[in-house]
Order: sequence, then C-alpha cells, then structure tokens
Amino acid sequence: GAGVSQSPSNKVTEKGKDVELRCDPISGHTALYWYRQSLGQGLEFLIYFQGNSAPDKSGLPSDRFSAERTGGSVSTLTIQRTQQEDSAVYLCASRQKRESEQYFGPGTRLTVT
Amino acid sequence: DQQVKQNSPSLSVQEGRISILNCDYTNSMFDYFLWYKKYPAEGPTFLISISSIKDKNEDGRFTVFLNKSAKHLSLHIVPSQPGDSAVYFCAASGIKAAGNKLTFGGGTRVLVKP
Repeated sequence: GAGVSQSPSNKVTEKGKDVELRCDPISGHTALYWYRQSLGQGLEFLIYFQGNSAPDKSGLPSDRFSAERTGGSVSTLTIQRTQQEDSAVYLCASRQKRESEQYFGPGTRLTVT
Repeated sequence: DQQVKQNSPSLSVQEGRISILNCDYTNSMFDYFLWYKKYPAEGPTFLISISSIKDKNEDGRFTVFLNKSAKHLSLHIVPSQPGDSAVYFCAASGIKAAGNKLTFGGGTRVLVKP
C-alpha cells in the first residue's frame, strides 16, 4: 500500500518568507508526527497529532512554527518568517496503534537563503 | 541534554562479518526502543524494535539486545552486506506516555566493504 508522502520534496525560500510543508500519512493511521533533522544532527521531535488534535507541541522551536491536521489525515506544517536556522529536512511519520513503529515519509528539504 | 546517545559516529566492517551498533539512554521512563536505517535523501526505515520487558529480539540478520540496568542497547547485523551501508538511528519512547514520540540518537554511519 501507499506509504507516507510529503510535498514538496525540496523547498528553497528567502529569509523572511512563509512556507507550508504537507504530509499525507498512511491511510488509517491516527497518530501523526513531525520531526526535523538539521545538518549533522539527529532527528528532533516537533509535534504530535492524535486525530486532529495536537496533545504535544513541545518540540516546536518558536511561535513561528505551527501545524494543523484536518479530517484526521493530511497535516500541514507552517513556518512563518523563515530564518536560516530553519534549514533542515522536515520528516513526517504516522503510526497505527500505540505499541507500534512509526513509518516515515521521504522528508522535505528546506533551504532558507 | 541528550537522552539517547550513539557514541560511535561511524563504523566500517567487512562484508560477511558482524556489525555491532551501540546506544545508551538516560531516561528511565523509556520502555520501547527501535532501530531505524536511513539512506541519503530518504526517510528512516524501521528495522527492529524491543520492549523493555524483553532483553533480546531477533529478526533475520538483525538482533537487538537490551540491558535495562545499564540503560544500553545494541544492534547486531550478521552477516553484514554492502546494502546495509547506511546511517542507523537508535530511538526510544515511553509507551505509557502520551503520544509515544520518539527520541533519537545522533546516528551511526555504517560502511560495509565488499
């Protein structure tokens, strides 16, 4: 079946512009996660959705970052007024049930110039 | 503070030999551990997991060992194959905690030489 998909695969933006990153989880997966991997770093948790609500936003680095999920499916991560330190690969993952692994999408590589 | 650490950034091994990757954690609330493999320009792919009620889990060429008292886990790959060359991430979560978010180590780059 189809895996987690993300778009765009690459995004280059100018400092100060807003960007939207999209994630389509695996059908039927109720839990959705956003992570990011900065250059030379491990993966860092950003936000978790259960259905359409986000019980854990503790990883969002600043109030310039926000995310929503609609219909228990697609999620959008929005970064306002992008900064160079926002450059990273943004990864989305979904999970079917509590005691199971998360499945990752291919990521969106964001470059802020 | 890094709650999950992979102290070896890289590992080189001959094809057919065993690869051993190590991971240490500090948070005693973690009770579920996973290993992911990542190729360049792709998302991480799940390899194997282990619950804290076990000390070993095996799946084909991959075996994960958990030493709870030492807060240490390891991944053994045997025999290693050239296609195993990738970055391997150790991850941990707390099943009892809301969300099961994963905390990742920094990764170990494995190179399997033919």
